[in-house]
Amino acid sequence: ETGVTQTPRHLVMGMTNKKSLKCEQHLGHNAMYWYKQSAKKPLELMFVYNFKEQTENNSVPSRFSPECPNSSHLFLHLHTLQPEDSALYLCASSQSGTAGEQYFGPGTRLTVT
Amino acid sequence: ILNVEQSPQSLHVQEGDSTNFTCSFPSSNFYALHWYRWETAKSPEALFVMTLNGDEKKKGRISATLNTKEGYSYLYIKGSQPEDSATYLCAFLWFTGGGNKLTFGTGTQLKVEL
Repeated sequence: ETGVTQTPRHLVMGMTNKKSLKCEQHLGHNAMYWYKQSAKKPLELMFVYNFKEQTENNSVPSRFSPECPNSSHLFLHLHTLQPEDSALYLCASSQSGTAGEQYFGPGTRLTVT
Repeated sequence: ILNVEQSPQSLHVQEGDSTNFTCSFPSSNFYALHWYRWETAKSPEALFVMTLNGDEKKKGRISATLNTKEGYSYLYIKGSQPEDSATYLCAFLWFTGGGNKLTFGTGTQLKVEL
């Protein structure tokens, strides 16, 4: 039990669809993150939110749109994705301003057809 | 571009063997290094957070060392068991003042066979 949940766990979407990934953390953290894991590549940071404010966008295409309504919830809105966006998307949280570890959710396996 | 390198990429060992992996990272602007264990179909879980040069941390049969001056960390597993089979990730932590930013290596995939 990591205290970070993600839904859905699996998602198949067409290139013209719009969908959203949801992440929730129950750990009282104030920093949240989106990562992408593609085959044979390292975990890649996409976005960082600190106290609901976006502090990092790692040159992510605009077809990925994050939203952080409060410190416990993080969304990733997806629209007009490409097949190469198929990957595992992981959410994580941590206590901001410390060197402490990040706590990860189980991920959403996304397939774009 | 920050490079975090891990070796080997994969490793097959027999139960009871001891093993070690390497993580190399930039030696300048060091803030912290994390080690994570990622089992198949589960979430990555933190093993160690290492911040000081010369740090040595231990959790059961797993231990890690840190050399920030030369930019490497070793992870050791003593007496490997099948349940140690997982991918072991190291990550270099940037402190941006607005949330921490991790750059991960590609991981070492460990398979422990009976």
